[in-house]
Amino acid sequence: DGGITQSPKYLFRKEGQNVTLSCEQNLNHDAMYWYRQDPGQGLRLIYYSQIVNDFQKGDIAEGYSVSREKKESFPLTVTSAQKNPTAFYLCASSKNWETQYFGPGTRLLVL
Amino acid sequence: EDKVVQSPLSLVVHEGDTVTLNCSYEVTNFRSLLWYKQEKKAPTFLFMLTSSGIEKKSGRLSSILDKKELFSILNITATQTGDSAIYLCASSEGGSEKLVFGKGTKLTVNP
Repeated sequence: DGGITQSPKYLFRKEGQNVTLSCEQNLNHDAMYWYRQDPGQGLRLIYYSQIVNDFQKGDIAEGYSVSREKKESFPLTVTSAQKNPTAFYLCASSKNWETQYFGPGTRLLVL
Repeated sequence: EDKVVQSPLSLVVHEGDTVTLNCSYEVTNFRSLLWYKQEKKAPTFLFMLTSSGIEKKSGRLSSILDKKELFSILNITATQTGDSAIYLCASSEGGSEKLVFGKGTKLTVNP
């Protein structure tokens, strides 16, 4: 089956800890994206990547980091610098200039 | 700054009602407008509109874009409880693969 997978479904972070969210796609899409969703806020772009080994900051990149070593994978690290990480994180991918398709999301909670 | 504004933010109707959701946008170098439906997890793609005045239709859902007045509507006829969801509107700009999302309209359809 073609699609986008995210893991884990739920993630708990202790204070001062870095955590990494996984996003994989087998759609052969060039572009991948990370969004954060808070209640009443819609989706806000954290980082995006249009090609392997290249990525750009979105609107709320502070406290996050990404890598794009393979076309299929775009992991997001939530660092200890992100002071309010509790949110629903969505990964998406698209062929160039086309519709973005979303993964099932990861809910991050702070202990 | 690019902006997408959806209204209303929430809406409660009874089964069988018709609803109209609104989306206005101010995006530099507009290219397309997209509608997504989000139930519990991943937003699922509904429509993409690029030309003004053309209606996209899928079953009971339809959408139209007015590029002159910079808005789009999503219409749902004969609503069902399964239509309950958050409906997200997003706009893309030329020269970029970024989408700018509105905050969403939460639709609740009661039996």
